[in-house]
Amino acid sequence: EAGVAQSPRYKIIEKRQSVAFWCNPISGHATLYWYQQILGQGPKLLIQFQNNGVVDDSQLPKDRFSAERLKGVDSTLKIQPAKLEDSAVYLCASSDLRKARSGQYFGPGTRLTVT
Amino acid sequence: DAKTTQPPSMDCAEGRAANLPCNHSTISGNEYVYWYRQIHSQGPQYIIHGLKNNETNEMASLIITEDRKSSTLILPHATLRDTAVYYCIAYNYGQNFVFGPGTRLSVLP
Repeated sequence: EAGVAQSPRYKIIEKRQSVAFWCNPISGHATLYWYQQILGQGPKLLIQFQNNGVVDDSQLPKDRFSAERLKGVDSTLKIQPAKLEDSAVYLCASSDLRKARSGQYFGPGTRLTVT
Repeated sequence: DAKTTQPPSMDCAEGRAANLPCNHSTISGNEYVYWYRQIHSQGPQYIIHGLKNNETNEMASLIITEDRKSSTLILPHATLRDTAVYYCIAYNYGQNFVFGPGTRLSVLP
């Protein structure tokens, strides 16, 4: 089966600019996650969707970050305006919680550099 | 915060078994132990998970102590391609994965 797809793979922007990332989860996976991974650290959950509804966005900096999953499939994560500390890899993952103890499947990530 | 603690780094000779420890002394009875690894410039990859019993698949073996306070991931014959950061996570249905910094395994030729 096809894995989680993300684009772009790399993005360089200046601070105060806007950027958007796209994710296409594994077919049939209702649950979608966005993580932020700063260099040298483990991934940190930003937001979790169940179909097109938000389950957990407690760690999403809502003053500048937004995410949507309008049709319950693809998702976009936006940063507006970007700060230097937003430089990180943004990972998308999906899972099928109908399957007992289902793990999460991760995409390759988007590496964002804010200058 | 992560419920697990791991050594920050380990080395292993190519062809030998790599044994990666994980402490999870506060794990609850219905939480599973999941292992993921992350090779440079890739997303995390699922390896194995278990609750109480030891588990084995084509990638690795997972040994969980009887009191469930710690576990060991075993890569039986490490290759250079196993060089990665390995994450041990305590997880149950409905929770979120909380990643710690993991163990950076270097497989040496």
